[in-house]
Amino acid sequence: AQSVTQPDIHITVSEGASLELRCNYSYGATPYLFWYVQSPGQGLQLLLKYFSGDTLVQGIKGFEAEFKRSQSSFNLRKPSVHWSDAAEYFCAVGGGKDAGNNRKLIWGLGTSLAVNP
Amino acid sequence: DTGVSQDPRHKITKRGQNVTFRCDPISEHNRLYWYRQTLGQGPEFLTYFQNEAQLEKSRLLSDRFSAERPKGSFSTLEIQRTEQGDSAMYLCASSLEGESPLHFGNGTRLTVT
Repeated sequence: AQSVTQPDIHITVSEGASLELRCNYSYGATPYLFWYVQSPGQGLQLLLKYFSGDTLVQGIKGFEAEFKRSQSSFNLRKPSVHWSDAAEYFCAVGGGKDAGNNRKLIWGLGTSLAVNP
Repeated sequence: DTGVSQDPRHKITKRGQNVTFRCDPISEHNRLYWYRQTLGQGPEFLTYFQNEAQLEKSRLLSDRFSAERPKGSFSTLEIQRTEQGDSAMYLCASSLEGESPLHFGNGTRLTVT
C-alpha cells in the first residue's frame, strides 16, 4: 500500500539547535517527494521538492532534505532553527511527471514543531 | 506574484444552510485543486480542474458538494445543507502542467454549528 509516515507527531527544539524531521514512504513507482510547511491558520507553503538528480535538495528558509532510496526516506533538516520555524510540517509523495498527479499526492499526518527561546 | 487567494477566511454557519467559497488561483496556472483538511490530518483531495474542465472528483465529495470553474480562472466550492461533519479547513491550490508543485491559498475555515 502507498503511504507516508511521519513518525514524530510533535518535536520541541531550542532556538539555534539543529533539526531533523523524519519522513518514510511506501510507493510502488519512482517517487516525487515534497515537504510543505503550514503556520497556524494558514495554507501550506512548499519548502522543497525532489523529482530526480542530486539526492540532497535545498529549499527555502535554509531547509534541506535528502532522498535515500534504500531507506525509503526523505528527511528534512535545518542546521539552526529560528523561532519563526515553529509550524506544522507535512511530507508528501506522488508519482509521474504530469502535475495532474498532484491530486494523488499521499500526505503524512504532519509533525508539529515547537521552538523554545 | 499575488499567490492563491481564498475568500472568505472564516465562515460560521448553521447546520442545513448553504455556503459558497471562492478561490482565485495564480493567474498563469491552468490547474486548480480543492482539498479539505481537518485537525491533525494532512490535506484530503476533493476535486481538480484543468482550465474549466472538472477532471476528477474524490469519493469524499458527496452530492451536497459542487465545484465550478466557469471561465478557467477563479473557482467556487458550494456545500449545500451543511452538516457538522463538514467543519474543516478548505484549501485551494493551483499549479502549471508538467513538473509543477502545488501552490496553496490560506484556506477557508468552515464551522458548522
